[in-house]
Amino acid sequence: KQEVTQIPAALSVPEGENLVLNCSFTDSAIYNLQWFRQDPGKGLTSLLLIQSSQREQTSGRLNASLDKSSGRSTLYIAASQPGDSATYLCAVQTGANNLFFGTGTRLTVIP
Amino acid sequence: GAGVSQTPSNKVTEKGKYVELRCDPISGHTALYWYRQSLGQGPEFLIYFQGTGAADDSGLPNDRFFAVRPEGSVSTLKIQRTERGDSAVYLCASSQQPGNEQYFGPGTRLTVT
Repeated sequence: KQEVTQIPAALSVPEGENLVLNCSFTDSAIYNLQWFRQDPGKGLTSLLLIQSSQREQTSGRLNASLDKSSGRSTLYIAASQPGDSATYLCAVQTGANNLFFGTGTRLTVIP
Repeated sequence: GAGVSQTPSNKVTEKGKYVELRCDPISGHTALYWYRQSLGQGPEFLIYFQGTGAADDSGLPNDRFFAVRPEGSVSTLKIQRTERGDSAVYLCASSQQPGNEQYFGPGTRLTVT
């Protein structure tokens, strides 16, 4: 069964800092990988989706990379802002179509 | 356009009761997914529909859980004889086609007392 791990579990940084969130998965036979943001008590907002054939995707201050062979992905956030404070979830999609999620990284950006 | 919607947003029920949770996917999305999220955890897959049929129900924890999507759009997750361990946030997602980006609803927070 696919297992997804996210490190660190929590991260606190001062405003303006660049940061990296890490995600690893045990089975490299994935269809795609998605990064989500979840605010307290809310649903999930999709940030970036990387197909298995791609190496990275960028959206604004966010950049996600994928190394399928080593089972790793990173989410890079540039020039962090207090509004970036949320839990970030990594999920991989297998051929069975459902997503396997990590437990998330809780990010706090201090003004 | 409208995103995925779920009703109710909150549901409190007594142990042993029956509950129904509703999901309205994005119009035109053929794939629909149900997940369950416990406190401090990532969502866990329950069931996936392609059109009207359940293509994969391997995540349903036991036979008290059932889901339908009779017309290939709205889906209802049904839980019989609820237990306190069923308390969680139930999330619904849809995608245009299987394997495409999944879009999530706000969830239904179920509390079994």
